[in-house]
This record gives sequence, C-alpha cells and structure tokens, in this order.
Amino acid sequence: AQSVTQLDSQVPVFEEAPVELRCNYSSSVSVYLFWYVQYPNQGLQLLLKYLSGSTLVESINGFEAEFNKSQTSFHLRKPSVHISDTAEYFCAVSEIRDDKIIFGKGTRLHILP
Amino acid sequence: DAGVIQSPRHEVTEMGQEVTLRCKPISGHNSLFWYRQTMMRGLELLIYFNNNVPIDDSGMPEDRFSAKMPNASFSTLKIQPSEPRDSAVYFCASSLASGGQPQHFGDGTRLSIL
Repeated sequence: AQSVTQLDSQVPVFEEAPVELRCNYSSSVSVYLFWYVQYPNQGLQLLLKYLSGSTLVESINGFEAEFNKSQTSFHLRKPSVHISDTAEYFCAVSEIRDDKIIFGKGTRLHILP
Repeated sequence: DAGVIQSPRHEVTEMGQEVTLRCKPISGHNSLFWYRQTMMRGLELLIYFNNNVPIDDSGMPEDRFSAKMPNASFSTLKIQPSEPRDSAVYFCASSLASGGQPQHFGDGTRLSIL
C-alpha cells in the first residue's frame, strides 16, 4: 500500500523569500503525484500533478515540484512567496489505474510580513 | 462551471440526533469520495463510489455511519446517532474514474455535535 509523508507540519517564511515544502512517498508500483492547496474554509484545490514525462511540473501561480524517483520525493517549491500563498498544502499519491488518492497530513505555510 | 456542491455548509445539532450530509458531484464525473477532516487525524477517506456503487468503505468509522449514492448526481452521508467525536469538516469530492484524474472538492460541511 502506498503512503505519503510530509515532513513539516508548519513552515514559517518571510514574504518574498523562497520556500520548499517536503514530501516523500512510498509505493511498490508506479504512481501519480499531486499537490493540493486548501485556503481557509474551503475545500482542497489541485495545485499541480505529475503523471509522466518531464519530472519538473509547474502551476500557474509560480509553484513547481520535481519528481525524484530514486529519492521517492515530490517536493514543492516557490522562489518568492506572497501573503496570498498562506494556506495548507497537501501532497498526495495514487497508484496507476487506481481512483483512490492517499493524502499526506498537510503542511501549513505561514507567510511573515 | 458548477463545482461539487455540498449542503448544508454548517450543521450544529445535539448528540443522538440523525445528521444527513448531501453532495452533488460534477456532471460527468463517475467517482465520488467522502472525506472527514479533523486537526488530530487530518484528511481521512471514509468511502468512495464508482458508477454509483460503493467500492471501498473501509474508512467508515462505525455502523453509525452510512453512505448512499442513488444516482449519478447525488450522494448522502448519514450519521445516526451522532456523537460529539463526529464533529469535523466533511468533504465530498468527485473525479473521472481513470488513473491520474484529480479529485474536485466541495467546500465542505462543518459539523458540530453538542
């Protein structure tokens, strides 16, 4: 069975500074990987996904994540954060041909002024 | 585009009462998921349906919880009788049933059992 570990429950970072949110997964088969974002009082929204091909995937709002198969990681990065990035971020994995997605416990991103 | 619609957005009720949460998935999606989110446990998958059929209900905590999907455009999650420890935010999500398809979440129902 697959699992997801988000190593940091909270990450404080100053506005305009870079940030990395860490995610490691475990699976015995090939997987798809996702990052979701949850703003206060809302449901989760897809931020980006890796299905195949280029290991670097990008979102429309400046986030990127890199799939590293040897390290079983899918860390999320942004070179310069904005106050509007304050949210909780969830890494998730699903096995190929499986509808079910397994979510990590989330990382709260706090942007400091 | 209508997203996943959940109702009610907030529910406050007394212990022992029956609670029914409702979900309308995105039209054309054939997988539907019910999740529970708490501070202690994070996001937990309770049950999911494919083409209106329950596929995996291993996350349903107890017999007090039940879920139905009578047609492709409607699902309910029922708790009877409710207990204070059921207080949480309950999310419904839908997706196209093929690997790699992202799930689309509703805004959730915030449930408080007094």
